[in-house]
Amino acid sequence: DAGVIQSPRHEVTEMGQEVTLRCKPISGHNSLFWYRQTMMRGLELLIYFNNNVPIDDSGMPEDRFSAKMPNASFSTLKIQPSEPRDSAVYFCASRSTSGGSYEQYFGPGTRLTVT
Amino acid sequence: DAKTTQPPSMDCAEGRAANLPCNHSTISGNEYVYWYRQIHSQGPQYIIHGLKNNETNEMASLIITEDRKSSTLILPHATLRDTAVYYCIVRVGYRAGGTSYGKLTFGQGTILTVHP
Repeated sequence: DAGVIQSPRHEVTEMGQEVTLRCKPISGHNSLFWYRQTMMRGLELLIYFNNNVPIDDSGMPEDRFSAKMPNASFSTLKIQPSEPRDSAVYFCASRSTSGGSYEQYFGPGTRLTVT
Repeated sequence: DAKTTQPPSMDCAEGRAANLPCNHSTISGNEYVYWYRQIHSQGPQYIIHGLKNNETNEMASLIITEDRKSSTLILPHATLRDTAVYYCIVRVGYRAGGTSYGKLTFGQGTILTVHP
């Protein structure tokens, strides 16, 4: 099992540009989570999907952020337009809702730098 | 979800047991205690979870007090590779339509440094 796959691993972009982060969850997992981590705010949940449907997007900072999950094996987090304060490490995680456990498996993260 | 309190940092000698405390005095009856850790520059990693009983797996042991207001994560023989930030999280588990829901809220955690 390859685990959760995120791409790109590093992204440097200029303010105002569109940024798209990608995530492939573990096969068979039906819940997917996007987190953001900064020194100031720690690890924050942005949005999570269950069976490709957004369940809770209360952590999405503002309209510049959007997330989609068109199928069970792919999700994107888009920032348009990007701002320097969006610089952070973005993690994707997945889990299976069967069995009752809440073990989330995290990807390696995408380090985003907006200049 | 209940708030947790952890010491900001701890040290441990290699080969010794690391005991990481967590206070969750406002925990409710249906809230689980979860522990994750994050090694530098990596995503968080699940360690263990429990509701009432003590739990043990290949990574660690979790001791939950009888009143459930606090818990301790035990790494029995700490190694240098166990140096990480350890997060104690409590979450409500609920089910609807055969599916479990809920989310994890990460605090600041405890920075554990294992030294030679």
